[in-house]
Amino acid sequence: AQSVTQPDIHITVSEGASLELRCNYSYGATPYLFWYVQSPGQGLQLLLKYFSGDTLVQGIKGFEAEFKRSQSSFNLRKPSVHWSDAAEYFCAVGAGYQKVTFGTGTKLQVIP
Amino acid sequence: GAGVSQTPSNKVTEKGKYVELRCDPISGHTALYWYRQSLGQGPEFLIYFQGTGAADDSGLPNDRFFAVRPEGSVSTLKIQRTERGDSAVYLCASSLIAGGQETQYFGPGTRLLVL
Repeated sequence: AQSVTQPDIHITVSEGASLELRCNYSYGATPYLFWYVQSPGQGLQLLLKYFSGDTLVQGIKGFEAEFKRSQSSFNLRKPSVHWSDAAEYFCAVGAGYQKVTFGTGTKLQVIP
Repeated sequence: GAGVSQTPSNKVTEKGKYVELRCDPISGHTALYWYRQSLGQGPEFLIYFQGTGAADDSGLPNDRFFAVRPEGSVSTLKIQRTERGDSAVYLCASSLIAGGQETQYFGPGTRLLVL
């Protein structure tokens, strides 16, 4: 069965600092991997996805993620965080695009 | 046009009652998904429609939960004999089926509270 672990429940960073959110997955074959962001009162929004090709994936809002098969990881990064990035971030894995398993999320707080 | 919409945005009901939650997908999207998000958790897959038929309903927790999509557009999630444990945010998403590149677009959710 597929599963996702996001070990950090809550992270606080200063505005302008770099960010890395961790994601580890369990899946038997090459997974489809996703990062979503959920802001209060808004629906989940896809930041980026990986299913093949270049292991460094660029997404929206300046985010990127790197697929590392040897570590079963798909960590999300941003070089300089903005106050508007404060939200909850979910990593997800699937056999395709249909039945996707989400992690428990990481809440990001940005301080001035 | 508009994104995925869900109604109602909030629903309060009593234990044992029947509820219906509605999802209007993005126009032209052939796939539709339902998820449940409990407090402090990520979304949990419930069911996935391709067109009018349920392609995968393995996430429905028990036979009190049922979903339909009779005309391949709007979908209704139905919960019978609600229990307090059903309290959660129910999310709907839709996508195109386009050569394995389907991105799911999510609605704002319906927050269900069972008293």
